[in-house]
Amino acid sequence: NAGVTQTPKFRVLKTGQSMTLLCAQDMNHEYMYWYRQDPGMGLRLIHYSVGEGTTAKGEVPDGYNVSRLKKQNFLLGLESAAPSQTSVYFCASSLPQTGPTGELFFGEGSRLTVL
Amino acid sequence: LAKTTQPISMDSYEGQEVNITCSHNNIATNDYITWYQQFPSQGPRFIIQGYKTKVTNEVASLFIPADRKSSTLSLPRVSLSDTAVYYCPAEANTGGFKTIFGAGTRLFVKA
Repeated sequence: NAGVTQTPKFRVLKTGQSMTLLCAQDMNHEYMYWYRQDPGMGLRLIHYSVGEGTTAKGEVPDGYNVSRLKKQNFLLGLESAAPSQTSVYFCASSLPQTGPTGELFFGEGSRLTVL
Repeated sequence: LAKTTQPISMDSYEGQEVNITCSHNNIATNDYITWYQQFPSQGPRFIIQGYKTKVTNEVASLFIPADRKSSTLSLPRVSLSDTAVYYCPAEANTGGFKTIFGAGTRLFVKA
């Protein structure tokens, strides 16, 4: 049981390049999230999805796009990378949060550097 | 807007009990209170969750008063390996369920 797997774990981009981060979960979770974490700061929600085929904006969505074509996968895309997007990106998944707060399961993170 | 407030940092010594308090602004009736721990270069991981009164597991205790406006994470007899960032995220249930993390509390345990 792998849990939440993120690829790639490290990437260096030049300004203006595009890339996609892949998140895969094998726990049959409905909800998936993308967060970014900058040095000394907490996690900020970029986009999230409450089910296959649905996505929604979080706190800092600008400059990113997402897709959830399959329940187990959540993709985060950067169309034109900027140095301000240098960060560590974490994917998470959870069961639907009705009633008890769903525990979030996180991946190991993807460290992105934009030069 | 749901939001939580917690101290930015705390220091402790090995063997001491550490209590980290979180204020839960606008917590909804159905929301549970959850705490996470994050080590450097890792994703956060679940520690404990509760709704009311006291919850205890093998790692920590969670105290929640009757008005649920705050919560206290208690770590008994901390060790160096408990040095981490601790989060008590808020649940924002407008427009879909989403978990909002703040900056967390950076706990540094000294020998």
